[in-house]
Amino acid sequence: GENVEQHPSTLSVQEGDSAVIKCTYSDSASNYFPWYKQELGKRPQLIIDIRSNVGEKKDQRIAVTLNKTAKHFSLHITETQPEDSAVYFCAAVNTGTASKLTFGTGTRLQVTL
Amino acid sequence: EAQVTQNPRYLITVTGKKLTVTCSQNMNHEYMSWYRQDPGLGLRQIYYSMNVEVTDKGDVPEGYKVSRKEKRNFPLILESPSPNQTSLYFCASSYDPGLAGGRPHEQYFGPGTRLTVT
Repeated sequence: GENVEQHPSTLSVQEGDSAVIKCTYSDSASNYFPWYKQELGKRPQLIIDIRSNVGEKKDQRIAVTLNKTAKHFSLHITETQPEDSAVYFCAAVNTGTASKLTFGTGTRLQVTL
Repeated sequence: EAQVTQNPRYLITVTGKKLTVTCSQNMNHEYMSWYRQDPGLGLRQIYYSMNVEVTDKGDVPEGYKVSRKEKRNFPLILESPSPNQTSLYFCASSYDPGLAGGRPHEQYFGPGTRLTVT
């Protein structure tokens, strides 16, 4: 089955700096890669995603990149703000296998003032 | 309001006492899943369901049962809970937008159920 590795497990940055979270996946059949953000005590929510036919996608201060050959994908947050502090999960999906998602182990991002 | 609900939100129980965590969604989604969240292990899928009466194992199904008799409900059953099932559990629903585009299988999570087994 699919295996998703995520690094780092914790990340501390100063407000205004950039943050990068990296994931690798093992199943070349995975074709959709969402990112979820979980604030303290809350449920995870999808914040950005990328399909396998796209190399990069941006939405304001966040961007995702995908390298299909290397099976790597990354989340980039620029100009970090305190409200970006949360746990971030990457995931890999083979949309042909319905609702089978495999999540990474999560990255706790702390944005300090 | 479109939502996924879970009950109970908090539960403390003892080893071996059968319990059920309910999950319900009002979005008419075909797909539903159960996850457990543990520190350092992320979100791991327990079971998922593609439609009524269609379920399949996720990554950590041992010790759990599910049923999908109605489209809106997807209860998680622990027949004989053990301390290693102490965890935060999330139910989620999703749909496949197909050719209409959108985010395939975006997980709409419930609020979570914190279970402690002593």
